Amino acid sequence: DQQVKQNSPSLSVQEGRISILNCDYTNSMFDYFLWYKKYPAEGPTFLISISSIKDKNEDGRFTVFLNKSAKHLSLHIVPSQPGDSAVYFCAASWSGNTGKLIFGQGTTLQVKP
Amino acid sequence: EAGVVQSPRYKIIEKKQPVAFWCNPISGHNTLYWYLQNLGQGPELLIRYENEEAVDDSQLPKDRFSAERLKGVDSTLKIQPAELGDSAVYLCASAYGTGGLDEQFFGPGTRLTVL
Repeated sequence: DQQVKQNSPSLSVQEGRISILNCDYTNSMFDYFLWYKKYPAEGPTFLISISSIKDKNEDGRFTVFLNKSAKHLSLHIVPSQPGDSAVYFCAASWSGNTGKLIFGQGTTLQVKP
Repeated sequence: EAGVVQSPRYKIIEKKQPVAFWCNPISGHNTLYWYLQNLGQGPELLIRYENEEAVDDSQLPKDRFSAERLKGVDSTLKIQPAELGDSAVYLCASAYGTGGLDEQFFGPGTRLTVL
């Protein structure tokens, strides 16, 4: 049972445009969500997170939106840059779960110059 | 500051052979995680340590997998015997605090190929 789903395996956008990566979850107990970015031959690196008490969190060019009623979150990158080309993983967690992150399958983003 | 170090980076073995992976977390980090990442999938937690105690090993296939973190610093993950389906990337991550809410820092992983 895939509790965190990223239904788009890949996304291609033009440099300077907006990239929108989507993530859906099924477990209502999730209350903390994260996005990780992964380059080839490297481990994932933390990008941005959001708590369920918020519906938006911004960090520079990156914004995460959370829609709890739809069990959906999205990562917006504006403007997209070629260096953003990577695999993006959505992950979810819940209070008292001792740090267990449930990851989605990942979306490969390609930003074309 | 050095990141999470893993070795080897790549390993090719024949099925039924044993294999071991080593992880050195970021200095001062008390929590250590081992994840399994299959091709085209996200990481899946195998085991989590707080200091030297395994606090969550519910996803570790204990018939063939074992792990240890004897002095609460370095950790090893072992598979014996390896099966074809074990081919994957094994990721180690560490976090400063215990309790699970601190940011996890990942190493580059060990890519295992079982022939």
